[in-house]
Amino acid sequence: GAVVSQHPSWVICKSGTSVKIECRSLDFQATTMFWYRQFPKQSLMLMATSNEGSKATYEQGVEKDKFLINHASLTLSTLTVTSAHPEDSSFYICSARGWFRTDTQYFGPGTRLTVL
Amino acid sequence: GENVEQHPSTLSVQEGDSAVIKCTYSDSASNYFPWYKQELGKRPQLIIDIRSNVGEKKDQRIAVTLNKTAKHFSLHITETQPEDSAVYFCAATSDSWGKLQFGAGTQVVVTP
Repeated sequence: GAVVSQHPSWVICKSGTSVKIECRSLDFQATTMFWYRQFPKQSLMLMATSNEGSKATYEQGVEKDKFLINHASLTLSTLTVTSAHPEDSSFYICSARGWFRTDTQYFGPGTRLTVL
Repeated sequence: GENVEQHPSTLSVQEGDSAVIKCTYSDSASNYFPWYKQELGKRPQLIIDIRSNVGEKKDQRIAVTLNKTAKHFSLHITETQPEDSAVYFCAATSDSWGKLQFGAGTQVVVTP
């Protein structure tokens, strides 16, 4: 149980284009979803917290107009990187927290974004 | 906000020996402390967690201890095996939404 999927697993795009990443909780309803970014050999940096039906809360320094988050249902959250640039290349990971074991976050497999 | 420090950054152990990773946190209101294991290019996987009302928790070869007074918690892995090689992250939260603050990570290498 408590499986989180992400799609796509990797994406390569040209500078200036937008990329959408989906995060789904497959076997539970997620009260809250989180989006992280991880650079090579570094820790997970929280970008934003998202609750179904409400606006995401962004961490300090994260541009909300660049990283658009939509949490349309209790099982789906999307992250859109708009006008991507090479410095946005990173490993993006989502996590979800359910009604059960409300403290625990279950992570998706991540999306490797490369912007050329 | 919460700040979590993790040591050491790298840890090499011989197979069969024990490994200990230590973390300190700054917010005395933190009440949940998970440990995640991440293999290269993979998702972080929860290996054990502890809540502030418990001082120690064990699951087979893995144990976590919490000292609320000193605001530090540790991961102990006994009888290490090569498959224990990975990056381990500690985290803490006091947030009602469950926002985790992660430590910097420890690269554990278990040599046969």
